[in-house]
Amino acid sequence: QSALTQPPSASGSPGQSVTISCTGTSSDVGGYNYVSWYQQHPGKAPKLMIYDVSRRPSGVPDRFSGSKSGNTASLTVSGLQAEDEADYYCSSYAGSNNYVFGTGTKVTVL
Amino acid sequence: QVQLQESGPGLVKPSQTLSLTCTVSGGSISSGGYYWSWIRQHPGKGLEWIGYIYYSGSTYYNPSLKSRVTISVDTSKNQFSLKLSSVTAADTAVYYCARARAVAKYFQHWGQGTLVTVSS
Repeated sequence: QSALTQPPSASGSPGQSVTISCTGTSSDVGGYNYVSWYQQHPGKAPKLMIYDVSRRPSGVPDRFSGSKSGNTASLTVSGLQAEDEADYYCSSYAGSNNYVFGTGTKVTVL
Repeated sequence: QVQLQESGPGLVKPSQTLSLTCTVSGGSISSGGYYWSWIRQHPGKGLEWIGYIYYSGSTYYNPSLKSRVTISVDTSKNQFSLKLSSVTAADTAVYYCARARAVAKYFQHWGQGTLVTVSS
């Protein structure tokens, strides 16, 4: 299995929006509504931000939203804030109790 | 709130077996309902799912690592463990333990991670 493809970097000014894509195949992203997104600050463990494509865990700001079309999922961060600067990883269930993660995107708040 | 904590040697020699333990607090592994997972991150790279175990002992592994991985559980100690055999420098990574609900396909709670370096 190959890692899901994400752009290496994305950026935006405070208050703006940034969207990160996550491209897989029909065997993972396109085949299941089980895409999740994780935020990781330097030296810290990943934090779940979105699950089941578009659901937010309790405590995650509604500035974070997710969607999916075909084999590509997306994470949008609206109203960018300084604390949103981090690495973001997507993940997808790939069937048969198997999971694949994305290559990661570094979000910079300008 | 459940907490997970990885422990084990930070340095392993090539060809040897990497062994890590995850201690769970704030929740009982034997109560069921969750998969207990290992995930790793190579330095400066992305995440890689290694596998997970249910309290009953059922295990599921990443096909690319399956031949070298064993995950086990000790419900009496509320711990689960990872063994990765025949390690090489390519296995140098931060290893995380994490918890996923059995009916879900995401990892909600993570340990802080532990760096394991493979070097002679």
